[in-house]
Amino acid sequence: GAGVSQSPSNKVTEKGKDVELRCDPISGHTALYWYRQSLGQGLEFLIYFQGNSAPDKSGLPSDRFSAERTGGSVSTLTIQRTQQEDSAVYLCASSSRPGGLTKGTDTQYFGPGTRLTVL
Amino acid sequence: AQTVTQSQPEMSVQEAETVTLSCTYDTSESDYYLFWYKQPPSRQMILVIRQEAYKQQNATENRFSVNFQKAAKSFSLKISDSQLGDAAMYFCAYRSANSGYALNFGKGTSLLVTP
Repeated sequence: GAGVSQSPSNKVTEKGKDVELRCDPISGHTALYWYRQSLGQGLEFLIYFQGNSAPDKSGLPSDRFSAERTGGSVSTLTIQRTQQEDSAVYLCASSSRPGGLTKGTDTQYFGPGTRLTVL
Repeated sequence: AQTVTQSQPEMSVQEAETVTLSCTYDTSESDYYLFWYKQPPSRQMILVIRQEAYKQQNATENRFSVNFQKAAKSFSLKISDSQLGDAAMYFCAYRSANSGYALNFGKGTSLLVTP
């Protein structure tokens, strides 16, 4: 089946503008993750959605960052008032997560990412 | 928080030869998962291999195998019969089995494959 898709592939914006990044997870995957990959910080976790549960926002670097997931599928990561340090590749991943007491590896499958450049 | 260390920023291997990429991690947990991901210039993170900490047997996937040393907290990746298409950034990652969902990544190792 289709993998994780992200749009746009590249985004160039001016400092102070808002941007929206989109992620379409693998069909049937209930868990969705956002990560940021930057030269200085490597790969950092941003936020996690699982089904209808409240998201884990513990990785969001500031209140300028927010994300939502509509209908348990598509997710949008929004960055308000962008700063130059927001320039990075934003990666989305999804996984199927066994319910109940079943133990699984919860392997995360990644999309191709969105490269954000803030001028 | 768990930390993952990849001590080799760059590695080089000749085509058809074998190369080993190192990864160590720090954790107080007994149950967790370990992964190797490959990231070519296309940016797509591709799962190479995974290991459950409760399994003693080392995982293998075709030309890729791991040496998992739980006591030493070491998780190295061996690539046999290297191919030009193996050239990429390789990331080692840790995930707790019981708390948290995020992958903790190392800084990566850039693998160059020469003809």
